Amino acid sequence: ETGVTQSPTHLIKTRGQQVTLRCSSQSGHNTVSWYQQALGQGPQFIFQYYREEENGRGNFPPRFSGLQFPNYSSELNVNALELDDSALYLCASSSGTGGRETQYFGPGTRLLVL
Amino acid sequence: GEDVEQSLFLSVREGDSSVINCTYTDSSSTYLYWYKQEPGAGLQLLTYIFSNMDMKQDQRLTVLLNKKDKHLSLRIADTQTGDSAIYFCAESGFNSNSGYALNFGKGTSLLVTP
Repeated sequence: ETGVTQSPTHLIKTRGQQVTLRCSSQSGHNTVSWYQQALGQGPQFIFQYYREEENGRGNFPPRFSGLQFPNYSSELNVNALELDDSALYLCASSSGTGGRETQYFGPGTRLLVL
Repeated sequence: GEDVEQSLFLSVREGDSSVINCTYTDSSSTYLYWYKQEPGAGLQLLTYIFSNMDMKQDQRLTVLLNKKDKHLSLRIADTQTGDSAIYFCAESGFNSNSGYALNFGKGTSLLVTP
């Protein structure tokens, strides 16, 4: 167990809807990174938050957005859901300066878009 | 982004050693990681190696790094049926867009047979 928690565990949405996924980081960690893992693929980096500011972003459109709160927990929001957004969404937390330290993953949220 | 390549499948007999290989292209990688993913679960950190090292041993796990060839391997000694899972190689180095994001391979599915 890493101490990183995510909610919900599973979610079903329809195309065009919006979704919010949540992550609580491990105690003492100030950086949260989000990844999307499509079936049969490796995780792809979405973005990273360090001390409430976006610290890096992968090749995802602006409809993927996020927040980090003062307690370092984080949200991932996806607007205008598409079928291809169906995936396992993984959150990872780390300490130190903006994710340079080892990232520890939560169990993920499995999103199905119909 | 830069590529991380892994063979997709490996089958070994219980008690044998497993060797999972990975190649990467980013010469600025500072850390290289091995994560394990069991069905329906998140990623479990197994071990990591800093780029100025060439070997790291941790109980049954041995990581070898050939920085010149950009080749990383994970050896699991005395492989058990509980080791059956998908193993991901990941590299991390600073990128001006993505910060210290992890860049993953597609994973190697390890099957351990009795």
